[in-house]
Amino acid sequence: GAVVSQHPSRVICKSGTSVKIECRSLDFQATTMFWYRQFPKQSLMLMATSNEGSKATYEQGVEKDKFLINHASLTLSTLTVTSAHPEDSSFYICSAKYLGIETQYFGPGTRLTVL
Amino acid sequence: QQQVKQSPQSLIVQKGGISIINCAYENTAFDYFPWYQQFPGKGPALLIAIRPDVSEKKEGRFTISFNKSAKQFSLHIMDSQPGDSATYFCAASIFNSGYSTLTFGKGTMLLVSP
Repeated sequence: GAVVSQHPSRVICKSGTSVKIECRSLDFQATTMFWYRQFPKQSLMLMATSNEGSKATYEQGVEKDKFLINHASLTLSTLTVTSAHPEDSSFYICSAKYLGIETQYFGPGTRLTVL
Repeated sequence: QQQVKQSPQSLIVQKGGISIINCAYENTAFDYFPWYQQFPGKGPALLIAIRPDVSEKKEGRFTISFNKSAKQFSLHIMDSQPGDSATYFCAASIFNSGYSTLTFGKGTMLLVSP
């Protein structure tokens, strides 16, 4: 149980375009979803936290207008990287948890490459 | 300020040996301490977690030892296998807070040699 999926697993785009990444909880209702960014051989950096039906809360230094997060339902959250640039190339990972349980279940990640 | 310090950065262990990874935290409000395992190109997977009301938790070959007074906790992997080669992250959070997030250590890259 507690499976989280992400789509796509890899995406390559041109500089200036927008990219949407989906995160789904497959077998539970995710009251809270998290988006992380991970650079090679580094730890996970929390970008934002979103609760279903509410606006996302962004960590300090993360541009809200660049990384748009929508948590429209209890099983789906999306991250849109707007006007992507090469420096946005990274491994983006979502996680999800349900009410009353502390454990975060992570998705498989999305490798974004901006040319 | 790094709230969770993890060591070593990398570790090489012989097959069958014991792998030990250590973490120290600063915020005494932390009360949930999970360990995650991550393979290259994959998302982290929960390995084992502990709360500060117990000093040790064992699941199979994986054991967490917790020292509340020292604000330290460690992961022990017994009978380490080549398949255990991965990056391990410790983390900490405050359970049941209205705004609970995980604070991660920097990770330990484990290589188990055959």
